Amino acid sequence: EPEVTQTPSHQVTQMGQEVILRCVPISNHLYFYWYRQILGQKVEFLVSFYNNEISEKSEIFDDQFSVERPDGSNFTLKIRSTKLEDSAMYFCASSGQTQETQYFGPGTRLLVL
Amino acid sequence: RKEVEQDPGPFNVPEGATVAFNCTYSNSASQSFFWYRQDCRKEPKLLMSVYSSGNEDGRFTAQLNRASQYISLLIRDSKLSDSATYLCGEKAGGFKTIFGAGTRLFVKA
Repeated sequence: EPEVTQTPSHQVTQMGQEVILRCVPISNHLYFYWYRQILGQKVEFLVSFYNNEISEKSEIFDDQFSVERPDGSNFTLKIRSTKLEDSAMYFCASSGQTQETQYFGPGTRLLVL
Repeated sequence: RKEVEQDPGPFNVPEGATVAFNCTYSNSASQSFFWYRQDCRKEPKLLMSVYSSGNEDGRFTAQLNRASQYISLLIRDSKLSDSATYLCGEKAGGFKTIFGAGTRLFVKA
């Protein structure tokens, strides 16, 4: 069964550093998403991406964040100048033509020290 | 009012029990609804989509009540492996899924 993959599974960084989280969505999917989940809290939408541009973003997704699809398979989330409160699990998701069901990757656990 | 609300639980039930969760939503324009299952420190995994006519998948039944703006999930014959957090999600026509905070279920032997 096709699945979304993410790397790395864990990332530890110092406050102020830049991190790039990587995702490989399901191959025939066209819609891509990033969500985050702070420990003990709910899953929160960050951004959606379609046709090589951001289609929707939340208030959380400020200038510190950016997304890119550098090639035909990868989808990345860059966090510039990380803050302590960026520590969370970051999930990538993708969906097919109907924009309906979103399938999640296993997540990257980011810890900012 | 929160967009999607769930009883956080925990629900502690014995094996074989039937358990039901509700989830209320505030946006009457919401079009699509889902139940996801999330194990500790894992990703949400789709359990089932929720249709207006209701749908059933084995021991799991989901219902949508648009008049009262809630969706429900019924689990029959609970198994130990059903222990998890159950997230409801809704989409209002945009791209994002809005999740509730989840309901924790513990099934005991």
